[in-house]
Amino acid sequence: EAQVTQNPRYLITVTGKKLTVTCSQNMNHEYMSWYRQDPGLGLRQIYYSMNVEVTDKGDVPEGYKVSRKEKRNFPLILESPSPNQTSLYFCASSPGLAWETQYFGPGTRLLVL
Amino acid sequence: AQKVTQAQTEISVVEKEDVTLDCVYETRDTTYYLFWYKQPPSGELVFLIRRNSFDEQNEISGRYSWNFQKSTSSFNFTITASQVVDSAVYFCALDTDKLIFGTGTRLQVFP
Repeated sequence: EAQVTQNPRYLITVTGKKLTVTCSQNMNHEYMSWYRQDPGLGLRQIYYSMNVEVTDKGDVPEGYKVSRKEKRNFPLILESPSPNQTSLYFCASSPGLAWETQYFGPGTRLLVL
Repeated sequence: AQKVTQAQTEISVVEKEDVTLDCVYETRDTTYYLFWYKQPPSGELVFLIRRNSFDEQNEISGRYSWNFQKSTSSFNFTITASQVVDSAVYFCALDTDKLIFGTGTRLQVFP
């Protein structure tokens, strides 16, 4: 089954404790992206990747890191999480051509205390 | 600047009513795509439709229909004979060189 998976789905952590949210897709998509969803703000792009070893900042990259060592994986790293990073995070992928439909993972709900 | 506006924060209807969700976008690009996504209470994002800027034909898929009007920069979504299962947050999105979402409209359909 074609899908985007994220782990963990729910995470409670404390300020400053490094964490990684994994994202994996099995569709051989070139383009992958991370978004955060906050009430009243919709979804905002954090980082995206056009292909392996090619990443770039989205609209709200501060406090986040990503890597793309393999085509299928695109982990989101919070080196020192803060309470303002409490949010719902979505990973997405698409074939990579311009304007292709992005398919979203199930979401990761993060609470930083 | 690219922007998507969903002015309706929340809409409540009773089952079987028709409901229209508004979406207004801004872009100077001539080539772009518009999307609608549904986010049910379970939280996932479900793709509904993708429409390119050169295709202004309205589209119908079952109880769902979309009205794209370039003249007013709008891409409105109508649900006919709404059902409780339509209760969700609906996002409109614009893709020029990146995907930009509106703030969403929460639709509640009561039995």
